[in-house]
Amino acid sequence: QVQLVESGGGVVQPGGSLRLSCAASGFTFSSYGMHWVRQAPGKGLEWVAFIRYDGSNKYYADSVKGRFTISRDNSKNTLYLQMNSLRAEDTAVYYCAKDQDYYGNLDYWGQGTLVTVSS
Amino acid sequence: QSALTQPASVSGSPGQSITISCTGTSSDVGGYNYVSWYQQHPGKAPKLMIYEVSNRPSGVSNRFSGSKSGNTASLTISGLQAEDEADYYCSSYTSSSTPPFGTGTKVTVL
Repeated sequence: QVQLVESGGGVVQPGGSLRLSCAASGFTFSSYGMHWVRQAPGKGLEWVAFIRYDGSNKYYADSVKGRFTISRDNSKNTLYLQMNSLRAEDTAVYYCAKDQDYYGNLDYWGQGTLVTVSS
Repeated sequence: QSALTQPASVSGSPGQSITISCTGTSSDVGGYNYVSWYQQHPGKAPKLMIYEVSNRPSGVSNRFSGSKSGNTASLTISGLQAEDEADYYCSSYTSSSTPPFGTGTKVTVL
């Protein structure tokens, strides 16, 4: 069965960096686009970034553009999110999600990893 | 990258039907038949309930249905049950591949 397991969350100071990972299994990882979505405490879902199946194209929300980088290693079935220049407003649970068909239908989600930006 | 607009809350009694709206623009909801809906219980990851406006993934109850008219999509839950109490979010494909989510709707079963 499809499994997505995020890791790498934690507490970081403002201005710091963190790299999240998402280990995928149960499907052909190299055939599907992948997303990062976040949810601040008590708030709604916010789409963060998307990477095509082969890594050829990457897209970002305006709120993270220039600070976050999405990448993938298809040989390791792993998705990444490098987060730099972190701000308090980046505090959230970060989910990775599989795109069913490139059109933004996120059919499988991980359990999420919490990132807290605080001094 | 503006969020799609949903009502903050909708409620209904067991057995009733409720409808949640999701309003966007011609650049997202109105421009493509790629609207999806997600259910999220407290402390859990979201779950895909509807994709491509009206399609249900395998395993999702047929009490959930979706539709779209112009720039507004809708999710209808018929035969409301206690387990349907959750937050619901819509989302839509956009030509820039930056899918916005809706503002979210809390469904309460009275």
